Amino acid sequence: EVQLVESGGGLVQPGGSLRLSCAASGFIFSNYWMHWARQAPGKGLVWVSRSDSDGGIIDYADSVKGRFTISRDNAKNTLYLQMNSLRAEDTATYYCVKAGRNTLDVWGQGTTVTVSS
Amino acid sequence: DIQMTQSPSSLSASVGDRVTITCRASQSINSYLNWYQQRPGKAPNLLISAASSLQGGVPSRFSGSGSGTDYTLTISSLQPEDFAIYYCQQGYSIPWTFGQGTKVEIK
Repeated sequence: EVQLVESGGGLVQPGGSLRLSCAASGFIFSNYWMHWARQAPGKGLVWVSRSDSDGGIIDYADSVKGRFTISRDNAKNTLYLQMNSLRAEDTATYYCVKAGRNTLDVWGQGTTVTVSS
Repeated sequence: DIQMTQSPSSLSASVGDRVTITCRASQSINSYLNWYQQRPGKAPNLLISAASSLQGGVPSRFSGSGSGTDYTLTISSLQPEDFAIYYCQQGYSIPWTFGQGTKVEIK
């Protein structure tokens, strides 16, 4: 069974940093593109970032470009999202997602990030 | 960026009703259109990919259609477990974008 387990969320002050992790199991992690998406409280889904299977191709939403960094450790089957210069508008549940063919195939349960003083 | 517009934003329906949700892209997305279901407090779940391909384990009462810029999700006979929010998403070009969601509520 494919499983994605996010961790690392929490309360952080504006301007602060946080690193999210996503532990993957049940599939050959190194073969798949992986994404991060987020959902602000009571709002819709927003795509954040993606990485190809070895981290060579990376894309970001404009809203996080220059502040967030996606990376992966295929030896540890883990995806990361380093979030710097956090703003109140980054408050959301962050989901790690396994990619399919132009789809967001399997979603983790999410980890909550709250940016507030 | 490609804008995705869903309608309606919400609807009330009864068990057994036929429900249709539409999604319009701001440009052609060549059927790279996916539908997700999100139940309260849960992560989204992929229902349909490539406009009309039902994912494994998804009940056959769900169907998708469309091409170019206009797409439709249909639930042929609404069941109690179908009350949720439904999102369309284009996988044609980065940044991938979602519709604003359609909340299906119990009448």
